[in-house]
Amino acid sequence: TQLLEQSPQFLSIQEGENLTVYCNSSSVFSSLQWYRQEPGEGPVLLVTVVTGGEVKKLKRLTFQFGDARKDSSLHITAAQPGDTGLYLCAGCGAGSYQLTFGKGTKLSVIP
Amino acid sequence: EAQVTQNPRYLITVTGKKLTVTCSQNMNHEYMSWYRQDPGLGLRQIYYSMNVEVTDKGDVPEGYKVSRKEKRNFPLILESPSPNQTSLYFCASSRWTGNDPQHFGDGTRLSIL
Repeated sequence: TQLLEQSPQFLSIQEGENLTVYCNSSSVFSSLQWYRQEPGEGPVLLVTVVTGGEVKKLKRLTFQFGDARKDSSLHITAAQPGDTGLYLCAGCGAGSYQLTFGKGTKLSVIP
Repeated sequence: EAQVTQNPRYLITVTGKKLTVTCSQNMNHEYMSWYRQDPGLGLRQIYYSMNVEVTDKGDVPEGYKVSRKEKRNFPLILESPSPNQTSLYFCASSRWTGNDPQHFGDGTRLSIL
């Protein structure tokens, strides 16, 4: 099983601040997905990164896939209270159909 | 509306009493999977299925069974539940594989006393 390590585990910031969440592994992944989960609900896909070095933007969220396809980051600019939630990265190792999730980063944005 | 439906949403039961959590998707997806989510441990895959009659173990399959007799349904069976299976369970589906965007159900909170 490929492991995905997310950091930080918890993050509490003021509205308007910037933040970065990391997702790292020693294994190569075919692609990495980022999800956001709110209490009482299932995770919802934010983005999938496929190509090494790829950068994708979703409004104030910027996702990057490492050149070696072993790591990814999520950067949020000018965080808002609506960004509060659990952020999860997930991926399948090369040649595998089993999906592995990181343990998540719990983000709280204080108004 | 495209969705993954799990039932029940909440269940409190006792050790050893067999139970089944149903999962159904209406998107004609090939890939379906079950996860459990526990504090500090994150989402862990229990079983996944690539197609009808094709299932495989995830990271934590012990104590669980699944079946995939039809494309749309993927029930999770606990033959003899134990307290360590108390958890929040999610079913998910995707078009082809784990590399595709996963659509999750709303979750089933199971308490085994």
